[in-house]
Amino acid sequence: DVKVTQSSRYLVKRTGEKVFLECVQDMDHENMFWYRQDPGLGLRLIYFSYDVKMKEKGDIPEGYSVSREKKERFSLILESASTNQTSMYLCASSWTLAGGPYEQYFGPGTRLTVT
Amino acid sequence: GQNIDQPTEMTATEGAIVQINCTYQTSGFNGLFWYQQHAGEAPTFLSYNVLDGLEEKGRFSSFLSRSKGYSYLLLKELQMKDSASYLCAVRDSGGYQKVTFGTGTKLQVIP
Repeated sequence: DVKVTQSSRYLVKRTGEKVFLECVQDMDHENMFWYRQDPGLGLRLIYFSYDVKMKEKGDIPEGYSVSREKKERFSLILESASTNQTSMYLCASSWTLAGGPYEQYFGPGTRLTVT
Repeated sequence: GQNIDQPTEMTATEGAIVQINCTYQTSGFNGLFWYQQHAGEAPTFLSYNVLDGLEEKGRFSSFLSRSKGYSYLLLKELQMKDSASYLCAVRDSGGYQKVTFGTGTKLQVIP
């Protein structure tokens, strides 16, 4: 079974702190994604990566950065946390081979509260 | 970019059939996904359509019409455990596998 793990289920941080969210997948997937999920807004893509050290901005990258130094690990960084970044953060991964659905597999999520 | 519309909420009776619609306007299209998400849990993959027509998988079926920008998810013989949010998602035709999600339809199954 594909397994995507995230470093924390719940996290509470103060405004202005630097926050690291870690995601690890064990299926050798090329693609990895970071989303945030908010009521009424659904899943919104923050950043994704299609290979080691490669990254692409999603729909809402402002206030975030990412790092992918190893294939299995994708980190989301909040440089200076703000209250409007309080949200559920979901990591996902998928293959990228041609010709298939290659659905995304999601981690359990991190509920981040910024106070 | 992508614009995806789904109803916000639906209610259906145990044992019945329910159809959840999804419409999309896209700058490129390379497949449509349906995911199920129970409250407090991560989304899980249900189905995938890239060509027009119906894909059936047990109690769940998904339909796609690319010319109309329309899909639906059909759930038969509803069970209480089917109470969840159902997310429609469209993949770009570009090379990076980017997927855009709709806001989801919260389905409540009642006895």
